[in-house]
Amino acid sequence: AQTVTQSQPEMSVQEAETVTLSCTYDTSESDYYLFWYKQPPSRQMILVIRQEAYKQQNATENRFSVNFQKAAKSFSLKISDSQLGDAAMYFCAYRSGNNNDMRFGAGTRLTVKP
Amino acid sequence: DAGVTQSPTHLIKTRGQQVTLRCSPKSGHDTVSWYQQALGQGPQFIFQYYEEEERQRGNFPDRFSGHQFPNYSSELNVNALLLGDSALYLCASSLVVDTQYFGPGTRLTVL
Repeated sequence: AQTVTQSQPEMSVQEAETVTLSCTYDTSESDYYLFWYKQPPSRQMILVIRQEAYKQQNATENRFSVNFQKAAKSFSLKISDSQLGDAAMYFCAYRSGNNNDMRFGAGTRLTVKP
Repeated sequence: DAGVTQSPTHLIKTRGQQVTLRCSPKSGHDTVSWYQQALGQGPQFIFQYYEEEERQRGNFPDRFSGHQFPNYSSELNVNALLLGDSALYLCASSLVVDTQYFGPGTRLTVL
């Protein structure tokens, strides 16, 4: 079974600086997708970024980018120029290519200090 | 363009009761998935509905059941509530097998 591990329960970053959140996963599949979701105190899970496993190029969305290392099964999220509104729980998630059963990690709580 | 909506926002029930949670998918989406998120944990997949059928199911007992209507909206039913069913229940919609977009969740408290 696929598993997702986030080894950092909490992270802290100074406003305007850069932070990297770690995620590793375990799978024997070749076709899959990886996601980072943000969950602020409002509880709504918001999609941050998505990566297709068949793409070698790392996904980027404005200040958010990933470092996808397929052989190492690693999928880290880099947040540049951190803002106070980035403070939230961040979840890494895995989805197989042929179904919609998403597996989530335990989450990393990000604090942004002014 | 309305996103995923869920009702109610909060719900308090007692052990043994039954509860129904509702979800309306994002416009244009035809697939609804339900997740349970216990406090301090990541969401866990309950099941998914597509074309009014349960397409896939996670490791949850039969007390958890669902339904999808012709307009793609969905309900999650939980029977014989246990204290351990207290959680945030998230609904996510997608277009078949594609990126899922989540609703704001329903907080269920079982006393």
